[in-house]
Amino acid sequence: SQQGEEDPQALSIQEGENATMNCSYKTSINNLQWYRQNSGRGLVHLILIRSNEREKHSGRLRVTLDTSKKSSSLLITASRAADTASYFCATDEKETGANSKLTFGKGITLSVRP
Amino acid sequence: SAVISQKPSRDICQRGTSLTIQCQVDSQVTMMFWYRQQPGQSLTLIATANQGSEATYESGFVIDKFPISRPNLTFSTLTVSNMSPEDSSIYLCSGEGAQETQYFGPGTRLLVL
Repeated sequence: SQQGEEDPQALSIQEGENATMNCSYKTSINNLQWYRQNSGRGLVHLILIRSNEREKHSGRLRVTLDTSKKSSSLLITASRAADTASYFCATDEKETGANSKLTFGKGITLSVRP
Repeated sequence: SAVISQKPSRDICQRGTSLTIQCQVDSQVTMMFWYRQQPGQSLTLIATANQGSEATYESGFVIDKFPISRPNLTFSTLTVSNMSPEDSSIYLCSGEGAQETQYFGPGTRLLVL
């Protein structure tokens, strides 16, 4: 079953604008990871945020995590046409004694217009 | 970060045949996984590839259909057996590197006729 649910499902913005994507999940997690996928290719890892962290930055990316609301957001600032892709959140659920494994959301399609 | 390669990158296969996909990691990883991504869908975990022992399958996936090997810490194979058109998907392997980050291969795009 899918744990993460992103919204919106599709987002279209102008180059230079900021893009905000949200992800909600249901169970306790160990960490949450965001990925980008270009047109049916492999996934590129963007950022990992742990359950005891609230915010992380990486270049033009900013990720927040609110464990009380079971939600995360990915902000891409000053977007570029090359940011056009599908974005997925994936949660590593906290299960005692179990190995880690990721559960993916349905993904958000981001289109950045030049 | 770990760099992961997969072979083949794509294939077109006939119904009833089998295809073995290879996954190679450039460094030792503790965990390796196989995922399926059906057209326009998200990723679904097939199984965890365990080194030196049988893979751990998720609900809805069985060893007879998706046999997996992992002879060492950097290599794994997934076989899609007795294929049908419903098996047409992208198959991705991943490895868990340092700090629990999972890195993905480029995927194998499979079309079954």
